[in-house]
Amino acid sequence: NAGVMQNPRHLVRRRGQEARLRCSPMKGHSHVYWYRQLPEEGLKFMVYLQKENIIDESGMPKERFSAEFPKEGPSILRIQQVVRGDSAAYFCASSPVGPVTYEQYFGPGTRLTVT
Amino acid sequence: KNEVEQSPQNLTAQEGEFITINCSYSVGISALHWLQQHPGGGIVSLFMLSSGKKKHGRLIATINIQEKHSSLHITASHPRDSAVYICAVRYSNSGYALNFGKGTSLLVTP
Repeated sequence: NAGVMQNPRHLVRRRGQEARLRCSPMKGHSHVYWYRQLPEEGLKFMVYLQKENIIDESGMPKERFSAEFPKEGPSILRIQQVVRGDSAAYFCASSPVGPVTYEQYFGPGTRLTVT
Repeated sequence: KNEVEQSPQNLTAQEGEFITINCSYSVGISALHWLQQHPGGGIVSLFMLSSGKKKHGRLIATINIQEKHSSLHITASHPRDSAVYICAVRYSNSGYALNFGKGTSLLVTP
């Protein structure tokens, strides 16, 4: 059973471009979480999604960032018009049921560099 | 403000030593997680606790709900335990978001 997969592992974008980060949860997991780790800082929650629904996006920046988890395919974190401050490691995690009762399994992360 | 405090921030130990990392938080929680982040950046979930104590191999995690405190213990430490250990809590009043501590950087020397 493959773990949580994220791609790409490394992504370089110029300021103003769009970044798309993909997360494939573990088989049988329908809950996905995105986290951001800025350089020299701790992890921060961004968004929690179930299939086709955003459950909690309280950690998402109000502009330029969006997330989806369609019925088919991976979850996507999209950053429009990237700026240097978006450079960070983005981790996704998944769980088979909601976060109240189950631990989360983390992917290897996507390291985004904005030049 | 909901905060998660970890101590120590950095820890160096000799192989074989017993290690304790502490985590305290400010208000009621519904769950506490201990995570391990390897030097390469990957994150592994070690434990999820809401009460009591859990053990997995050489790792033991305890939580005291009344004192709002958790500890992660590593027995018979080994250089491969060198990593950053992160405490994260889900507060009862903050929906589904996990709130993370800054991590404890552990180095175990041979």
